[in-house]
Amino acid sequence: GAVVSQHPSWVICKSGTSVKIECRSLDFQATTMFWYRQFPKQSLMLMATSNEGSKATYEQGVEKDKFLINHASLTLSTLTVTSAHPEDSSFYICSAPRDRSSYEQYFGPGTRLTVT
Amino acid sequence: DQQVKQNSPSLSVQEGRISILNCDYTNSMFDYFLWYKKYPAEGPTFLISISSIKDKNEDGRFTVFLNKSAKHLSLHIVPSQPGDSAVYFCAASGKSYQKVTFGTGTKLQVIP
Repeated sequence: GAVVSQHPSWVICKSGTSVKIECRSLDFQATTMFWYRQFPKQSLMLMATSNEGSKATYEQGVEKDKFLINHASLTLSTLTVTSAHPEDSSFYICSAPRDRSSYEQYFGPGTRLTVT
Repeated sequence: DQQVKQNSPSLSVQEGRISILNCDYTNSMFDYFLWYKKYPAEGPTFLISISSIKDKNEDGRFTVFLNKSAKHLSLHIVPSQPGDSAVYFCAASGKSYQKVTFGTGTKLQVIP
């Protein structure tokens, strides 16, 4: 089946610094990717939809200037957490639909971000 | 506003018995429903789905039932196995877009 990878799998950074997380579709092209975050014992919360060749669409309440998304190619989307604070510590997961018409998503393994 | 709800945060079942995980939704525009399985520190993996035009879909040990009038769906796992122990997320999507709304998850523990 299709594979979505994320890098890094975990990262620790100091408050005030920026962190970039990569999401790659390894054997298929993804014009759309989704970014989620999950707090402990909570659901996956959709943050934004990443669109290749155009601006990302952010969900209500998500700061677009803080969570910068760039869909650089048909196989790569990046999420940059700018000026990170401890409350940004979370598990970030990306996903990509199997194809343009599919509801089924392939999920990456996630990135654990800890801001100290 | 939680549009997809899983009211049972956890469920314990004996190995070999049936596991029933429930999910309720409020948005009548949803027309496709999915179940995902998730282990700690990993991304969710797709299990089974159902279109709103159906009321049942079966795949091996997994069956999903949809009751549109009640806005309710359930996942049945028979027989349950210890390897099924994980968090199960119900998810829903609407027409013409691929954005998926997840439920809050149910942690299933299958006891050997």
